[in-house]
Amino acid sequence: EPEVTQTPSHQVTQMGQEVILRCVPISNHLYFYWYRQILGQKVEFLVSFYNNEISEKSEIFDDQFSVERPDGSNFTLKIRSTKLEDSAMYFCASLLAGNTGELFFGEGSRLTVL
Amino acid sequence: QKEVEQDPGPLSVPEGAIVSLNCTYSNSAFQYFMWYRQYSRKGPELLMYTYSSGNKEDGRFTAQVDKSSKYISLFIRDSQPSDSATYLCAISGGSYIPTFGRGTSLIVHP
Repeated sequence: EPEVTQTPSHQVTQMGQEVILRCVPISNHLYFYWYRQILGQKVEFLVSFYNNEISEKSEIFDDQFSVERPDGSNFTLKIRSTKLEDSAMYFCASLLAGNTGELFFGEGSRLTVL
Repeated sequence: QKEVEQDPGPLSVPEGAIVSLNCTYSNSAFQYFMWYRQYSRKGPELLMYTYSSGNKEDGRFTAQVDKSSKYISLFIRDSQPSDSATYLCAISGGSYIPTFGRGTSLIVHP
């Protein structure tokens, strides 16, 4: 069964360092998302991406964040200068088409900022 | 008023019980309704998806949507210890960006 894959599964970094989280969405899907979940809290939307550009972003997704689809398969989230409060699980998700709501999530990348 | 409200629980039931999990929402424009299961430190796993009022059944799971009351439910029949997880409702509108509830922690004890 097709699935969304994410790497790394866990990354530990020092405050102020840049981090890149990688995702391979399901191959025929067209919409891509990043969500995050701080420990014990709800899953929160960060950004959606369609047709090689950001379609929507939340207020969490400030100038420190960026997304890219550098080739036909990968979808990346970059955090330029990490802060302690960026520590969370980051989930990538993909959606086949715009007339459904069935997002499929990856297993997540756990980011720990020290 | 929060967009999607869900009681965090925990909800503890004996094996074999029927479980009822619920969410309410405030935005009448929402039209896609999903239930996800999340095990600890894992990604949300899509269980059920529906876009209309009424019931949808899949094995031991039944999703129910009442758009007039802005109320959705997930029923689990013959619950098993392996059903122990956090259940997240997620609702979206035309932007296809699901908004999640807090999740309800379910514990099924043998």
